[in-house]
Amino acid sequence: AQSVTQPDIHITVSEGASLELRCNYSYGATPYLFWYVQSPGQGLQLLLKYFSGDTLVQGIKGFEAEFKRSQSSFNLRKPSVHWSDAAEYFCAVGASDDKIIFGKGTRLHILP
Amino acid sequence: DAGVIQSPRHEVTEMGQEVTLRCKPISGHNSLFWYRQTMMRGLELLIYFNNNVPIDDSGMPEDRFSAKMPNASFSTLKIQPSEPRDSAVYFCASSFAGTGGGSIQYFGAGTRLSVL
Repeated sequence: AQSVTQPDIHITVSEGASLELRCNYSYGATPYLFWYVQSPGQGLQLLLKYFSGDTLVQGIKGFEAEFKRSQSSFNLRKPSVHWSDAAEYFCAVGASDDKIIFGKGTRLHILP
Repeated sequence: DAGVIQSPRHEVTEMGQEVTLRCKPISGHNSLFWYRQTMMRGLELLIYFNNNVPIDDSGMPEDRFSAKMPNASFSTLKIQPSEPRDSAVYFCASSFAGTGGGSIQYFGAGTRLSVL
């Protein structure tokens, strides 16, 4: 069965600093991988997705993620964070039955 | 496109009362998902429908929970009777599911349920 691990529950970075959020997945075949963001009081919004092809995926709001099959990882990165990036970030893996399994999330805090 | 619309946004009720949450998926989408989010358990899939038919309800916690999708543009999640431990944020999401999986789910803003 698929599973997703986000090892960091909270991450704090200074505004303008770079960011990397970690995600590891478990799935027997080539997975569909997603990153979603949830701002307070809001639903989840898709940041980016990986289905196949180029392992470096560009998303909205300046985010990117890299799929590394050998490490079963799909880490999210941003070169310079803004205060508005403070939110909770969810990594997710999808399978052929259209269900998506979400990680527990990483809450990002931004220091001014 | 208006996106996925959920109502109400907030619901406060007393233990033992019936609660009905509503969802209007994005027009043209053929799959609909109900999730529950709590601090302790994170985001849990309760049930999902494809072409208005329930496909997997293994996440529904117990018989007090039921979900229906009478047509492609409307779904309900009902809790009867409600209990304080049902307090959570409930999300509805929809997608256009083709063959092979991997469809992107679009989420509503959620319903925050408080059972006193």
